[in-house]
Amino acid sequence: GAVVSQHPSRVICKSGTSVKIECRSLDFQATTMFWYRQFPKQSLMLMATSNEGSKATYEQGVEKDKFLINHASLTLSTLTVTSAHPEDSSFYICSVMNNEQFFGPGTRLTVL
Amino acid sequence: AQSVTQLGSHVSVSEGALVLLRCNYSSSVPPYLFWYVQYPNQGLQLLLKYTSAATLVKGINGFEAEFKKSETSFHLTKPSAHMSDAAEYFCAVSDRAAGNKLTFGGGTRVLVKP
Repeated sequence: GAVVSQHPSRVICKSGTSVKIECRSLDFQATTMFWYRQFPKQSLMLMATSNEGSKATYEQGVEKDKFLINHASLTLSTLTVTSAHPEDSSFYICSVMNNEQFFGPGTRLTVL
Repeated sequence: AQSVTQLGSHVSVSEGALVLLRCNYSSSVPPYLFWYVQYPNQGLQLLLKYTSAATLVKGINGFEAEFKKSETSFHLTKPSAHMSDAAEYFCAVSDRAAGNKLTFGGGTRVLVKP
């Protein structure tokens, strides 16, 4: 398996600011991580696949310049929401690929 | 492209009654299928998975699911609901040809009545 943590668990920011969310694989070296977004009462939508040492692969419709992903090490991937707006308020969840996906606890982002 | 449909966004069951959550999938290749549970403001926990071995899969917390290729279904059941089963449940299919990306169904919220 894999144990995955996310930081912060909750964040509130003002419109126009940038927010960084960390996803850590605590007991497994992950070459691949995934980032999902979940709006209230909705399902998870894959935003991007994060590959260690290379550029992330974004899903159709996800702005790569707005959602910056950095997977600089085998245990850490970061998602930065740049110039956040209220419509970016959501629950962001990462997962680590180790034969199957293991999910982090999620980060609740609220943009005022 | 793969897709997952969960019939019923909400299911209400009495404690001790059967829980049945429906999932149908579409996949161009033999699928890997998953059921996850999500409690409020938490990530997803794997209940069980089908990876082309036995068609009846047993998972945690007394849940099981049966893969039926002819019906393209992977319904989740539990014989006797417990109050702690109240949560959101997601069915997902893995795209093994595209880095094992998961496509999720819309989710089913389970309410357990005492």
